Amino acid sequence: DIQMTQSPSSLSASVGDRVTITCRASQSIHSHLNWYQHKPGKPPKLLIYGASSLQSGVPSRFSGSGSGTDFTLTISSLQPEDFATYYCQQTYSAPLTFGGGTKVEIK
Amino acid sequence: EVQLVESGGGLVQPGGSLRLSCAASGFTFSTYWMHWVRQTPGKGLVWVSRIFSDGSTTSYADSVKGRFTISRDNAKNTLFLQMNSLRAEDSGMYYCSRGSAYASSDYWGQGVLVTVSS
Repeated sequence: DIQMTQSPSSLSASVGDRVTITCRASQSIHSHLNWYQHKPGKPPKLLIYGASSLQSGVPSRFSGSGSGTDFTLTISSLQPEDFATYYCQQTYSAPLTFGGGTKVEIK
Repeated sequence: EVQLVESGGGLVQPGGSLRLSCAASGFTFSTYWMHWVRQTPGKGLVWVSRIFSDGSTTSYADSVKGRFTISRDNAKNTLFLQMNSLRAEDSGMYYCSRGSAYASSDYWGQGVLVTVSS
């Protein structure tokens, strides 16, 4: 099974900060990497699919990059509504697996 | 408007069974893969299972293989998850989601809570 490791597991940031979250796969997954935002009491929301494609309706301050084993989610200017937990997910091979999550908190 | 509505959750004793349902509307259900994903406070998101659009192929997380069965009724636009031999660690909020590009989940239901406890 492919293991997904996210870092950091949590971070504190201020509104307007640039935030970067990384995700590493235990083997190459090419570009089969998706990013989700999850807030308490709500279903997860797809942000990025295929490593770098922005899902329709998602603000352009979110971007994704990487291929192979190393991936990055960047929020260019953190907004109040962005405080949440973020997950990467590999869909290259079953069982599909999520990373452990990165909780973004207010500084 | 795409809608996914889960049902069938509840409290069950260890070793028991539950059948979750997910009613889909607002899109051509028969042409999409579907997923089940579990969320637990301690372990985050856990992918549980996937089924191809025609039901021909299914996949499972190692932790549920042999105990859970995913299925679908394309005539009734409904996805199912039969959960047998339930364990405490199966507890959590179960979401159904629609599979999209790169097998991502672009639409999600509101979730249904499963609690396995004596």
